[in-house]
Amino acid sequence: ETGVTQSPTHLIKTRGQQVTLRCSSQSGHNTVSWYQQALGQGPQFIFQYYREEENGRGNFPPRFSGLQFPNYSSELNVNALELDDSALYLCASSLGLAGSAPKETQYFGPGTRLLVL
Amino acid sequence: AQKITQTQPGMFVQEKEAVTLDCTYDTSDPSYGLFWYKQPSSGEMIFLIYQGSYDQQNATEGRYSLNFQKARKSANLVISASQLGDSAMYFCAMRGRNTDKLIFGTGTRLQVFP
Repeated sequence: ETGVTQSPTHLIKTRGQQVTLRCSSQSGHNTVSWYQQALGQGPQFIFQYYREEENGRGNFPPRFSGLQFPNYSSELNVNALELDDSALYLCASSLGLAGSAPKETQYFGPGTRLLVL
Repeated sequence: AQKITQTQPGMFVQEKEAVTLDCTYDTSDPSYGLFWYKQPSSGEMIFLIYQGSYDQQNATEGRYSLNFQKARKSANLVISASQLGDSAMYFCAMRGRNTDKLIFGTGTRLQVFP
């Protein structure tokens, strides 16, 4: 196990609602990345947080937002849910040492399965 | 733009045999990293192996090895002595020097039969 935890494991929402997903990073890791994995696809990068600041963003609309807390845990918030937001949401933590990329390995949590009806 | 291509949607292998999962990539970054992850039906992405673009030797981690051919831009995963527990989705991913995100392929579903 990686030590990365996510909650909840499963979630059902209706279109238009808002959702908050949570992630606790591995001990000692200061960077959290969020990915969306639609059924039958590879994960797509949403954004990354490094020391409480957004440190990169993928091609997702502003209704996808996030936070990172002083203990490096993180939240992903999605407003105005759409049917296409139904997916597995994966959180990954990494050490975030300056200059370590691209070697820096991201360790993933078990994911949150979101279903939007 | 960076891209990962996995052309094998599914692969079958008999227990104890070796299997190769293909991955090709495209990038203009001179420095990049290549990763393989395993995703069982539970959903968690499990890190398997890493290869750096400047590494002189192919990476190995236990039964996993990476056949890295830089000129061909390929990074195939070789699993030796397959086990039933190896049945899962396998994803190849890449990260460039100046990016923070992993770019994933579409994955290969491996099924190991007795």
